[in-house]
Amino acid sequence: AQSVSQHNHHVILSEAASLELGCNYSYGGTVNLFWYVQYPGQHLQLLLKYFSGDPLVKGIKGFEAEFIKSKFSFNLRKPSVQWSDTAEYFCAVNSNTGGFKTIFGAGTRLFVKA
Amino acid sequence: SAVISQKPSRDICQRGTSLTIQCQVDSQVTMMFWYRQQPGQSLTLIATANQGSEATYESGFVIDKFPISRPNLTFSTLTVSNMSPEDSSIYLCSALLGGSNQPQHFGDGTRLSIL
Repeated sequence: AQSVSQHNHHVILSEAASLELGCNYSYGGTVNLFWYVQYPGQHLQLLLKYFSGDPLVKGIKGFEAEFIKSKFSFNLRKPSVQWSDTAEYFCAVNSNTGGFKTIFGAGTRLFVKA
Repeated sequence: SAVISQKPSRDICQRGTSLTIQCQVDSQVTMMFWYRQQPGQSLTLIATANQGSEATYESGFVIDKFPISRPNLTFSTLTVSNMSPEDSSIYLCSALLGGSNQPQHFGDGTRLSIL
């Protein structure tokens, strides 16, 4: 069955610490990969996406993610987090052959201490 | 980009009643979806709202419980019928403007509590 796994449900970091959030997927065919972010009280918004080309993708606010096909992974990284990065992060996947249905991971709540 | 307006933003309802949630997108979209996000959990796709025809429901969701309409390209409604406390959740409308390699846009959600 198609699934997305996020390794950490809650992460607490101090400002300037480095961040890596794990995401693994189980999905047949060519995949499109996304990271969404939901800041407190706001709607989901796109952080970055990958659908082809360079597997290292850069997004907004200094975030990046690397697609490793052999590991079915799409981990999110940021070298130095800020207090304003406190949010919930969702990894999501869909497939060009699976229609437009997007499956979301369980989400990771990140809290950055000032 | 698209702006998705959902209403109501929140409601508290009595057991056994029904509530209709409206979703309006400010631009023409390819697809519209309805998700549920239960407390502490991820987004679960309820159905794909098809324009002018019956919605496509995911496993575990049925039309009698969650009737959906999409009379045109930019508007959809989701009704939560015969509500029970287990239906307390955030319901999210989502829209896709292009192909599957494009990101979905989300409304702010409707926070529903059932007493």
